[in-house]
Amino acid sequence: DAGVTQSPTHLIKTRGQQVTLRCSPKSGHDTVSWYQQALGQGPQFIFQYYEEEERQRGNFPDRFSGHQFPNYSSELNVNALLLGDSALYLCASSFTGGGGNQPQHFGDGTRLSIL
Amino acid sequence: GEDVEQSLFLSVREGDSSVINCTYTDSSSTYLYWYKQEPGAGLQLLTYIFSNMDMKQDQRLTVLLNKKDKHLSLRIADTQTGDSAIYFCAEKVKTSYDKVIFGPGTSLSVIP
Repeated sequence: DAGVTQSPTHLIKTRGQQVTLRCSPKSGHDTVSWYQQALGQGPQFIFQYYEEEERQRGNFPDRFSGHQFPNYSSELNVNALLLGDSALYLCASSFTGGGGNQPQHFGDGTRLSIL
Repeated sequence: GEDVEQSLFLSVREGDSSVINCTYTDSSSTYLYWYKQEPGAGLQLLTYIFSNMDMKQDQRLTVLLNKKDKHLSLRIADTQTGDSAIYFCAEKVKTSYDKVIFGPGTSLSVIP
């Protein structure tokens, strides 16, 4: 049973570029959340997708957008990259259908470096 | 507000017990979690406790919850070198679908 998988594992971009990160949830999960983890800090909630719609968002600018596909996989897009966007981006999946009381399971993340 | 605090560092000797503490501010929290992160890896769910419980034990791990003081602790018995990692306390906020607020993490160092 595959857990949460993310791709790519590492990525290097320059300021002003755009990036797309991908996530496949754990089998049986229908909800995907994205987090940004800066070096030495805890993960910060970006947004959450359920039924192909964004249903919750953290304090991140509109440069951060996402998408969820019918197979529950998800993408995180970041436009106009800034140096401060350098971080580990974590995807977490969970199952909402069980009443929303299931814990989130995390992937190993995508390490994004902005030069 | 939503805030989770933890001490940043803890050092213990192999074989001793480790206790990692956490405080949170949101009284509507439904679940509280402990995650472990090893270098270069994602977050591994260790254990979690529902807010109407005060204790949960799972092998070497014991979670204690004091809801009145909004204090959570994780005790690791017989700490091993493989337990060296960063431990994150996190709360699930009732007012949000599934939003989880993380603390800054406690770096546990186990001395052989």
